Amino acid sequence: EPEVTQTPSHQVTQMGQEVILRCVPISNHLYFYWYRQILGQKVEFLVSFYNNEISEKSEIFDDQFSVERPDGSNFTLKIRSTKLEDSAMYFCASSPGQGESYGYTFGSGTRLTVV
Amino acid sequence: AQKVTQAQTEISVVEKEDVTLDCVYETRDTTYYLFWYKQPPSGELVFLIRRNSFDEQNEISGRYSWNFQKSTSSFNFTITASQVVDSAVYFCALSEVYTGGFKTIFGAGTRLFVKA
Repeated sequence: EPEVTQTPSHQVTQMGQEVILRCVPISNHLYFYWYRQILGQKVEFLVSFYNNEISEKSEIFDDQFSVERPDGSNFTLKIRSTKLEDSAMYFCASSPGQGESYGYTFGSGTRLTVV
Repeated sequence: AQKVTQAQTEISVVEKEDVTLDCVYETRDTTYYLFWYKQPPSGELVFLIRRNSFDEQNEISGRYSWNFQKSTSSFNFTITASQVVDSAVYFCALSEVYTGGFKTIFGAGTRLFVKA
């Protein structure tokens, strides 16, 4: 079964450092997403990406966040200057086409720890 | 606005008991999707089921069953004869379709403890 792959599974970074979380969506999918889950809390939508641009973002997704699809296979989330409160599990997801919920798949997550 | 409510924060049962996890949602859309995910201690989200708003058939998969009722905006999840391995956090989620794909709103989760 096709998978969304996220690397690394766990990343530790110092406060103020830039971090890039990487995702490889399912190959024929067109829509890509990032979600965040602070420890013990609910999973929250960050951003969706389609046709090489952001299609929607939440209020959490401020100027310190950016997303990119640099090479047609990877989908990255960059946090420019990490804060302690950015510590969370970050999930990438992808879906095949507009309105097609079958195949909407989450990766296994990257646990980001900011120290 | 979208909202998903899982009123049960934690449930504790003894192995072999049946348990029902409640989910109530709010949406103004007529087309939407409902999901249940399991999150074990390792942290990944394990997909359990998807339902679209036009399909109110209940579903059974092994020990798992789901009851979707549009009239009460509920999508409840029952585990029959629970096992220790069922211990996890369970999230109900609602996805609405828009031009940018899906936007999924998760409930706060229900932590299920199954004791041997």
